[in-house]
Amino acid sequence: DAGVIQSPRHEVTEMGQEVTLRCKPISGHDYLFWYRQTMMRGLELLIYFNNNVPIDDSGMPEDRFSAKMPNASFSTLKIQPSEPRDSAVYFCASSFWDTIYFGEGSWLTVV
Amino acid sequence: AQKVTQAQTEISVVEKEDVTLDCVYETRDTTYYLFWYKQPPSGELVFLIRRNSFDEQNEISGRYSWNFQKSTSSFNFTITASQVVDSAVYFCALSEETDQAGTALIFGKGTTLSVSS
Repeated sequence: DAGVIQSPRHEVTEMGQEVTLRCKPISGHDYLFWYRQTMMRGLELLIYFNNNVPIDDSGMPEDRFSAKMPNASFSTLKIQPSEPRDSAVYFCASSFWDTIYFGEGSWLTVV
Repeated sequence: AQKVTQAQTEISVVEKEDVTLDCVYETRDTTYYLFWYKQPPSGELVFLIRRNSFDEQNEISGRYSWNFQKSTSSFNFTITASQVVDSAVYFCALSEETDQAGTALIFGKGTTLSVSS
């Protein structure tokens, strides 16, 4: 089975631009998570969905961040406008029952 | 509140040494899950093990072993006869049960393990 698939793997963008990160969870998984990893803050949960419905978005840092899950096989995390402090690795993960599997991450650099 | 503490920020060992990575957790729930993930230099997060709070049996998988002790709220990870390929950041994580096991993970800060030849 394919794992969690994220795109793009790497993105460099200029401050102020819109960034969209994409995620395809493992088929059959009903939970989807977005995490962010930085040196300063480690791994932080941004938002998670259950059956395509957002359950907890308390980790989303500010209104510039938004996430959607229009169907069971696709989710997006959007940053608009992007800022240099958004530079991080963004992980998507999915689970069914009790083990969460991560994608390879999207490495975002905002200059 | 949930919390995971990995007190060891960095550990350096020489190949073939045994090394133990410590993990201490806090939770008010009686049902919870503990995890270890490995993050090699390539950056992906690799699942290693999951343990639920009712199963205190130690587990061994090849050179890896895990010691879960509820009395001390610890879930330590030992690598026996370490190899250079074990060099990575290792994360301990906790999730509490809601209506379904395995909701959002709370991660520790990670321990960077460097194994030299």
